[in-house]
Amino acid sequence: EVQLLESGGGLVQPGGSLTLSCAASGFNFGVYAMSWVRQAPGKGLEWVAGITGGGSHTYYAESVKGRFTISGDTSKNTLYLHMSRLSAEDTAVYYCAKQAGLLTLFPLHFWGQGTLVTVSS
Amino acid sequence: QSALTQPASVSGSPGQSITISCSGTDSDVGAYDYVSWYQHHPGRAPKLLISEVNKRPSGVPDRFSGSKSGNSASLTISGLHSDDEAVYHCSAYTTSTTVVFGGGTLLTVL
Repeated sequence: EVQLLESGGGLVQPGGSLTLSCAASGFNFGVYAMSWVRQAPGKGLEWVAGITGGGSHTYYAESVKGRFTISGDTSKNTLYLHMSRLSAEDTAVYYCAKQAGLLTLFPLHFWGQGTLVTVSS
Repeated sequence: QSALTQPASVSGSPGQSITISCSGTDSDVGAYDYVSWYQHHPGRAPKLLISEVNKRPSGVPDRFSGSKSGNSASLTISGLHSDDEAVYHCSAYTTSTTVVFGGGTLLTVL
């Protein structure tokens, strides 16, 4: 059974940094693309970043490019999202999702329950 | 990349059919057949309903169907059930190698 468990959310001050983790189990982590998707309060879903299976390529939404870094550790079956220079606009529930194939063009097949990030002073 | 356009809300009675539209551009919906739909109940993880315009993952009832014409896609739910009440999101892979979502549509089952 595929399981994705996000952690690392919390309250952070504007301009600060935070790293989210997503522990994956139930599938071969290294051969599937993974993405982070967020949902701000009262808003729709927003794709944030994706990484191909094996980690050879990463992609980012314009809104986070240069501030966020997605990475994966196949030895720990864990996906990460390092976020820096955070602002109130980054406040959201962050979901990690397993895609249906090696590339980020595949659909988001399984999702975690999400972790809340609040950026506020 | 601008979000795809979905109606904010739709409603229907049990047993009826409804259709949710998703409008994009020739850089996203119109570019490829990588259009997906997700069902999201509050407090739960989103669930993939439709991939590649009209493919249903295992376990998704055939009451759910998808289509696409040009830069617009649609999700149709037939034989509405009360537990279909949720927010539905469309998404598309873009020519910029990113993914874009719609704003989400709240389905109310009357």
